[in-house]
Amino acid sequence: DVKVTQSSRYLVKRTGEKVFLECVQDMDHENMFWYRQDPGLGLRLIYFSYDVKMKEKGDIPEGYSVSREKKERFSLILESASTNQTSMYLCASSPPPGASDTDTQYFGPGTRLTVL
Amino acid sequence: AQSVTQLDSQVPVFEEAPVELRCNYSSSVSVYLFWYVQYPNQGLQLLLKYLSGSTLVKSINGFEAEFNKSQTSFHLRKPSVHISDTAEYFCAVSEAPGAGSYQLTFGKGTKLSVIP
Repeated sequence: DVKVTQSSRYLVKRTGEKVFLECVQDMDHENMFWYRQDPGLGLRLIYFSYDVKMKEKGDIPEGYSVSREKKERFSLILESASTNQTSMYLCASSPPPGASDTDTQYFGPGTRLTVL
Repeated sequence: AQSVTQLDSQVPVFEEAPVELRCNYSSSVSVYLFWYVQYPNQGLQLLLKYLSGSTLVKSINGFEAEFNKSQTSFHLRKPSVHISDTAEYFCAVSEAPGAGSYQLTFGKGTKLSVIP
């Protein structure tokens, strides 16, 4: 089974802190994604990555950055956390083109971040 | 660009009754369509998908969805729901074939509550 893990289930930070959210997948997937999930808004894509050291902005990248130094790990960084970044953050990964399930994204359990 | 509209934010239904969760999409190109489910305190998992071929697709737990190109819809149905179906359901769309990323656009979600 594909396993996507996220470093924390719950996180509480203060305004202005630098926050790192870590995501690791164990299936050698090339594509990785960061979403935030808010009630009534569904999932919105923050950033995604096709390969190591490669990143693309999603729909709402403002206030976030990402890092992908190794294929299995994709980090989301909040340079200076703000209260409007309080949310559920979901990481996902998907196999490369040619794989039988290349169209499927596999999700981690999520990190619920509260910024005070 | 694509968009997804889930017409109902909440759907309460009695156990063993039928249910339909509605999804409409907008796209200028051919699409792949997905339903993901999120059980309480968990990440999303794929329920079923339409890529090509038969327009009626089924999941292993009794859900089915039909791709209707003329009505740009992909409604999810189950003839008899169980308490364990209580969850949030997300409709999603991607371009077909994907540009290597299979980037998904999600709807805002429908919370299905099954009443004993």
